[in-house]
Amino acid sequence: SAVISQKPSRDICQRGTSLTIQCQVDSQVTMMFWYRQQPGQSLTLIATANQGSEATYESGFVIDKFPISRPNLTFSTLTVSNMSPEDSSIYLCSVERGGVTGASGAFFGQGTRLTVV
Amino acid sequence: TQLLEQSPQFLSIQEGENLTVYCNSSSVFSSLQWYRQEPGEGPVLLVTVVTGGEVKKLKRLTFQFGDARKDSSLHITAAQPGDTGLYLCASEGGTSYGKLTFGQGTILTVHP
Repeated sequence: SAVISQKPSRDICQRGTSLTIQCQVDSQVTMMFWYRQQPGQSLTLIATANQGSEATYESGFVIDKFPISRPNLTFSTLTVSNMSPEDSSIYLCSVERGGVTGASGAFFGQGTRLTVV
Repeated sequence: TQLLEQSPQFLSIQEGENLTVYCNSSSVFSSLQWYRQEPGEGPVLLVTVVTGGEVKKLKRLTFQFGDARKDSSLHITAAQPGDTGLYLCASEGGTSYGKLTFGQGTILTVHP
């Protein structure tokens, strides 16, 4: 199994500022994924981050608002830019379970609970 | 993107009762996963079902995959307070196992 560490675990931020969330995996992975979970709701995929290329964003999410870095095979960051209260959510990173085993599904970090005031 | 309809959205039951959560789609699933999420944690995979008609058991949890692979259910027998959490079904998109589309989720509360 993969161990995923996210920092910070929670933060309260002022509107108009930006927050960068870090995700560290204990093994090398090709793809990392960023999800958003709005209060009381399910998870929605923001983007897929591949090492060495630009992230691929899902419909409704743009790079200017959610820039992503992927400098190596064990680390990624997601920045929430120019925040508004509507950005208050839990942000989660994840990786595939599979690798050489071909197992389906994903491992998730514990999430970053963001509150924008 | 495949749409997953999950029901019910909320379940509040007493310890010892049974419950079933449903996950449906208008299109065929290649596979279907069930996750459980507790407050302050990320989702944890419970099971993956792949074959139509498949039944998998995990202690008091029984997972079924419909014959046509368009629906799945999670049945919990004799629920316990430790079962409390958010239950999510999810399907994989594209060629990546990690790119998931989730149902709306079922918030389960089991009262002692």
